[in-house]
Amino acid sequence: QKEVEQDPGPLSVPEGAIVSLNCTYSNSAFQYFMWYRQYSRKGPELLMYTYSSGNKEDGRFTAQVDKSSKYISLFIRDSQPSDSATYLCAMTPMDSNYQLIWGAGTKLIIKP
Amino acid sequence: DTAVSQTPKYLVTQMGNDKSIKCEQNLGHDTMYWYKQDSKKFLKIMFSYNNKELIINETVPNRFSPKSPDKAHLNLHINSLELGDSAVYFCASSLRTGPSEQYFGPGTRLTVT
Repeated sequence: QKEVEQDPGPLSVPEGAIVSLNCTYSNSAFQYFMWYRQYSRKGPELLMYTYSSGNKEDGRFTAQVDKSSKYISLFIRDSQPSDSATYLCAMTPMDSNYQLIWGAGTKLIIKP
Repeated sequence: DTAVSQTPKYLVTQMGNDKSIKCEQNLGHDTMYWYKQDSKKFLKIMFSYNNKELIINETVPNRFSPKSPDKAHLNLHINSLELGDSAVYFCASSLRTGPSEQYFGPGTRLTVT
């Protein structure tokens, strides 16, 4: 079993829909949670970063962490075709290395 | 201004050859990384350097050898290339070791035939 599980998709939704992307994890030591967006043939770029549990909002994006369920989510409101990309979750425990453990990524397609 | 750059962008080579990929960051960051992304988009850390010192060395074949001549550069040399080495290799940097944002380069698409 991988430490971080993420449905690879693709997830196809119409423009304007609310998108929900999720990751589950098994290591209760994870404390920092990140969402990266990767466009085709590009490197990942950081979208959202949360510490421990709770919600964080940035424009149309909301990141949610539920440590009791070992479950994190990224919500995208009013989705746009430009949001079409692969979304990767990444997380790290509080230890000396802070090595990021990555999900496999979910491919999101927003249809105009 | 390119923050993290990699060369070459594409690399096609035959099995058994030796090749190098170069990475440079102009962000003034202390920490640099090499990742391998396979065909299923799974990102796997290979190495991490902090101020030219190796701090993460995952289970990677000895054929892969990183080298950091200074903290702005991290190169990856691969000996005796194998078919399974075909992947996209990403260089990344972060301000420091720790849960800080990692900035990725555009990737080097390696194809071994």
